[in-house]
Amino acid sequence: DQQVKQNSPSLSVQEGRISILNCDYTNSMFDYFLWYKKYPAEGPTFLISISSIKDKNEDGRFTVFLNKSAKHLSLHIVPSQPGDSAVYFCAASPISGGYQKVTFGIGTKLQVIP
Amino acid sequence: GAGVSQSPSNKVTEKGKDVELRCDPISGHTALYWYRQRLGQGLEFLIYFQGNSAPDKSGLPSDRFSAERTGESVSTLTIQRTQQEDSAVYLCASSLGLSVSYEQYFGPGTRLTVT
Repeated sequence: DQQVKQNSPSLSVQEGRISILNCDYTNSMFDYFLWYKKYPAEGPTFLISISSIKDKNEDGRFTVFLNKSAKHLSLHIVPSQPGDSAVYFCAASPISGGYQKVTFGIGTKLQVIP
Repeated sequence: GAGVSQSPSNKVTEKGKDVELRCDPISGHTALYWYRQRLGQGLEFLIYFQGNSAPDKSGLPSDRFSAERTGESVSTLTIQRTQQEDSAVYLCASSLGLSVSYEQYFGPGTRLTVT
């Protein structure tokens, strides 16, 4: 039973365009959401997070949108750059739970074409 | 400063052998976590250590898996009598505390292949 779903295994985007990575969750107890980026042969690195009291959080070129009623979040990268090519993991947690309660999606591989 | 390091980076072992994986967290990080990522799956929580508290072993898949941590430094994950389904990338992470408000830093992982 996948509680955090990333239904697109891969995505290709032209450099300079917007990349939109989607994530759906099923557990209504989740109220804190994180995105990680992972390059080959490296561990995931934290990218951006959002708590359920917000519907948008922005950090430079990266914006995460949360739609609680739809149990859906998305990560927007604008403009996309070749260095953004990586696997992106969505993760969700009850905010009081600590990292042991974080559930990860299987990842979406983004390729930004120069 | 130095990040989280793990060794070995790759390990190939025969079914039935024991393996030991090592993690060096960031200095000063009281919380340390082990995860497993099987092919085509998300990260799966295995165990965490927080300061001197008893570790949370709730994610360990079987009693063949065990982990230790020396104080607030090095941790080792041991898998006894390895099985082919243990083949995965094992990731270690550390953070200043357990709360998700602290950023979590991952090591590069150990790729374990059981033949």
